[in-house]
Amino acid sequence: DGGITQSPKYLFRKEGQNVTLSCEQNLNHDAMYWYRQDPGQGLRLIYYSQIVNDFQKGDIAEGYSVSREKKESFPLTVTSAQKNPTAFYLCASSIAGTSGPFLYNEQFFGPGTRLTVL
Amino acid sequence: AQSVTQLDSQVPVFEEAPVELRCNYSSSVSVYLFWYVQYPNQGLQLLLKYLSGSTLVKGINGFEAEFNKSQTSFHLRKPSVHISDTAEYFCAVHTGTASKLTFGTGTRLQVTL
Repeated sequence: DGGITQSPKYLFRKEGQNVTLSCEQNLNHDAMYWYRQDPGQGLRLIYYSQIVNDFQKGDIAEGYSVSREKKESFPLTVTSAQKNPTAFYLCASSIAGTSGPFLYNEQFFGPGTRLTVL
Repeated sequence: AQSVTQLDSQVPVFEEAPVELRCNYSSSVSVYLFWYVQYPNQGLQLLLKYLSGSTLVKGINGFEAEFNKSQTSFHLRKPSVHISDTAEYFCAVHTGTASKLTFGTGTRLQVTL
């Protein structure tokens, strides 16, 4: 079955430690995204990537880093510089459009990782 | 810059009653609008989308939404809800390039017997 997998589902870390969240997709999508979800705040974009070896900062990139070495994978590292890392993290992917109404293509979401920093 | 407002953080409703979840947006250019549903501790699933054409859009699970350009709204409706519709619903607007989405803060639909 095609889809997006995120692991682990629950993650606990001590304050001051870096942690990497996994996101893998087998949908052959070019674009991938990381969102952070906090209660009452909706989803906020952290980083996105339209193509391998390229990525851009979203609205709340400070304290996070990403890599895109393979089309299928877009791991997110939450660094010790992130002041309030406890949250639900969602990964998504889509076909990368180029113009007009096809600029947007549906984003498919993974099941999420709930990170708790103790 | 685009923004999305979902005024109702929670909407309680009895089973088989109709429901409307409100969404208003602001944008200086043409918009593409979406509704997503999130069940507890899961990712988001697309309910429906408006890209162009008919302003009444039908989606999955019996939901529909109407794009109203003059009122800058994209309200979600269902004529008769079921217990299984209990979830959080997010309205989103497409922003500029790179398929970026701006999400509203969500509306929790609570369906009871």
